[in-house]
Amino acid sequence: ETGVTQSPTHLIKTRGQQVTLRCSSQSGHNTVSWYQQALGQGPQFIFQYYREEENGRGNFPPRFSGLQFPNYSSELNVNALELDDSALYLCASSLMGGPREQFFGPGTRLTVL
Amino acid sequence: TQLLEQSPQFLSIQEGENLTVYCNSSSVFSSLQWYRQEPGEGPVLLVTVVTGGEVKKLKRLTFQFGDARKDSSLHITAAQPGDTGLYLCAGESGGTSYGKLTFGQGTILTVHP
Repeated sequence: ETGVTQSPTHLIKTRGQQVTLRCSSQSGHNTVSWYQQALGQGPQFIFQYYREEENGRGNFPPRFSGLQFPNYSSELNVNALELDDSALYLCASSLMGGPREQFFGPGTRLTVL
Repeated sequence: TQLLEQSPQFLSIQEGENLTVYCNSSSVFSSLQWYRQEPGEGPVLLVTVVTGGEVKKLKRLTFQFGDARKDSSLHITAAQPGDTGLYLCAGESGGTSYGKLTFGQGTILTVHP
């Protein structure tokens, strides 16, 4: 069974740039949720993808967008990066309607200068 | 907006001591999960509680879900240095909120040998 993987591990961008983060879900899972974790804080829900469509969104602006592919992997795109976007971005995979548990990837550390 | 307040924010104890972490909300959750996160890694699920009043034990860890499903606690008996880490509670509202977690701000536990 393959766990959740994310790439890249670390990323440094400058303000105004765009970034794409990637996530491969755990084998057998069909739902991917993305979270932003600022330093010293708990993760905050960004959005969830199920059946290749957005299935719920947290309090994040439209410049945060995503995709889910037929193999259930997912991308998180952030446009017009701001300094406050610096954080650890986590994806979590789960099986919709299955056990109430999510498996998190190791995260991508994004630094915006 | 649902909020989960976790306390204490920091906990520094000696090996062998007992401790309790609290997670409180004014909102009702359909399930509540506890995670542990190590530096540079994603959160790892410890337990999910779904029934009001439920108590689950995982070796030296005891988890309780409040009768009204608004609060939870994590009790560790005879803490060991290996228990050091960030402990997070996360609530799920149920229904269309499946897999969309609201996290507390976390408790940083340090157990000194």
